[in-house]
Amino acid sequence: GAGVSQSPRYKVAKRGQDVALRCDPISGHVSLFWYQQALGQGPEFLTYFQNEAQLDKSGLPSDRFFAERPEGSVSTLKIQRTQQEDSAVYLCASSLEVLGGAYEQYFGPGTRLTVT
Amino acid sequence: QKEVEQNSGPLSVPEGAIASLNCTYSDRGSQSFFWYRQYSGKSPELIMFIYSNGDKEDGRFTAQLNKASQYVSLLIRDSQPSDSATYLCAVNTGRRALTFGSGTRLQVQP
Repeated sequence: GAGVSQSPRYKVAKRGQDVALRCDPISGHVSLFWYQQALGQGPEFLTYFQNEAQLDKSGLPSDRFFAERPEGSVSTLKIQRTQQEDSAVYLCASSLEVLGGAYEQYFGPGTRLTVT
Repeated sequence: QKEVEQNSGPLSVPEGAIASLNCTYSDRGSQSFFWYRQYSGKSPELIMFIYSNGDKEDGRFTAQLNKASQYVSLLIRDSQPSDSATYLCAVNTGRRALTFGSGTRLQVQP
């Protein structure tokens, strides 16, 4: 089947604008993750959903960041009043929850956000 | 101390050689360990995972885990120029989220 998809692939926002980034996980994957990757760094965890429940949002950097997954499939990461430091690649990953498994995560292509 | 540490490189090896990539982690409760490959401008691609001490082989790739010493490594045999990429080590500490190192850049010289 298809992999994780994300849209848009590129987004340029003026400082202060709100943006919404979409993630469509692999079909049947109950877990969905958002990560932020700065240039030259590894991805950093933002938030985690199991179905529609947001079980961990400890990585969200400020209350300007908000994520939802209302029907347990597609997820949206919203950033309000964007700042230049929000410029990064936002990666979505999904995982099949298999008890006793390694819970490996598969990444989408990412959305590159540039705040000017 | 970062939770997951990797040498940033670049690690340069000739074509056909074995490339050895290393990673150390700080959380002794870490349960599973992943290697991702990331080409420039692309997203991370899962290569292998391991959660038991010892070696795990998949084609040209071997992952090695030593929980007592808190390190995990990736060996790439018969390295090809197409293996040139950044290799990210990631650790699952039991909370589902992965903690990543900053990656090691590998260059395979033809």
